[in-house]
Amino acid sequence: QLVLTQSPSASASLGASVKLTCTLSRGHSSNAITWHHQQPQKGPRFLMRVLSDGTHSRGDGVPDRLSGSASGAERYLTISSLQSDDEGVYFCQTWGTGIRVFGGGTELTVL
Amino acid sequence: QLQLRESGPGLVKASETLSLTCTVSGASISRENYFWDWIRQSPGKGLEWIGSAHSSGTAYYSPSLKGRITISLDTSNNHFSLRMNSVTAADTAVYYCASEGPLFTWGQGTLVSVSS
Repeated sequence: QLVLTQSPSASASLGASVKLTCTLSRGHSSNAITWHHQQPQKGPRFLMRVLSDGTHSRGDGVPDRLSGSASGAERYLTISSLQSDDEGVYFCQTWGTGIRVFGGGTELTVL
Repeated sequence: QLQLRESGPGLVKASETLSLTCTVSGASISRENYFWDWIRQSPGKGLEWIGSAHSSGTAYYSPSLKGRITISLDTSNNHFSLRMNSVTAADTAVYYCASEGPLFTWGQGTLVSVSS
């Protein structure tokens, strides 16, 4: 079964860096994923696609202080030089034949 | 630039059918190898995939909703639609349409409330 696992919460200080993790279920470690950010009371915004080799492609207007990487079944989103606007929930998403799956989301707090 | 916008009634009575349309601009929904998605978010919850239609017309549905939903493409009007029957309070959510191509594009979302 295709499942994505994310930690429910994370926090980091203004100006610091944070690395969020999305873990693919067993047997799906070659899947690409997408990362999305949802600020409070807003709709999600596509950030980037991350392939199993760590190659990533950002969406329009996404700053390069956001980057993606991968290791095994884990996919990462690293945000550097944290700003207050980075707060919100970060979702990962993947797909299989005829199905799409979202992770439960990680709520990021910028201290 | 690809843009999507949801439209439809904001209030649906329980046991009736929810119908939403996603109008696409900036690209044809017949564009090769695109998927056109419906996704929802219940109050205070995460994102739930409802279903997708491939640009060829083939549709895929969430196993938990299969049997209640239909997603269809209207190439004449460049939009795609969601129909969900027998709605209950559990279907109250913000409904998003989205496109999956080289990039992932979201609509702004529309709140649908189910009343008893």
